Amino acid sequence: EPEVTQTPSHQVTQMGQEVILRCVPISNHLYFYWYRQILGQKVEFLVSFYNNEISEKSEIFDDQFSVERPDGSNFTLKIRSTKLEDSAMYFCASSEGNTGELFFGEGSRLTVL
Amino acid sequence: LAKTTQPISMDSYEGQEVNITCSHNNIATNDYITWYQQFPSQGPRFIIQGYKTKVTNEVASLFIPADRKSSTLSLPRVSLSDTAVYYCLVGDDRDDKIIFGKGTRLHILP
Repeated sequence: EPEVTQTPSHQVTQMGQEVILRCVPISNHLYFYWYRQILGQKVEFLVSFYNNEISEKSEIFDDQFSVERPDGSNFTLKIRSTKLEDSAMYFCASSEGNTGELFFGEGSRLTVL
Repeated sequence: LAKTTQPISMDSYEGQEVNITCSHNNIATNDYITWYQQFPSQGPRFIIQGYKTKVTNEVASLFIPADRKSSTLSLPRVSLSDTAVYYCLVGDDRDDKIIFGKGTRLHILP
């Protein structure tokens, strides 16, 4: 069964450092998403991406965040200057159409020290 | 986007049928209802989706009354491995901003 893969599974970084989280969506999917989940809290929407551009973003997705689909297979989330409160699990998801059926990856746990 | 309300938590026993109800009083005509399951430290997993009446798959059933102001996810004969958080979402195909609520934390007891 095709799946969304994410790397790294866990990253520890110092506050102020840049972090890039990588995702390989399912190959025929057209819609891509990033979510985050702080430990013990709900899954929070960050951004959706379609047709090589951001289609929606939340208030969390400020200027410190950016997304890119550099090569037609990877979908990356960059955090320019990490803060302690960016520590969370980051989930990538993709969907074939805009039907609400999202396929999530296993997540990348980011720890900011 | 229609707001959803679910119980914060539920307990049940192995072998029982579990029904989790979600209220979505201001659901719009084009909105469909989607349920996800999330195990600890994993991403949410799509369970089932419906628009009206009843939908059944190998995992669950989804019951939607005629007024569509609520929906009920039914898990038949649960096991310990069904312990998870279950999310009800409402939206249409114009929504690129798919929002998860707090979900229902289901705890299955032996």
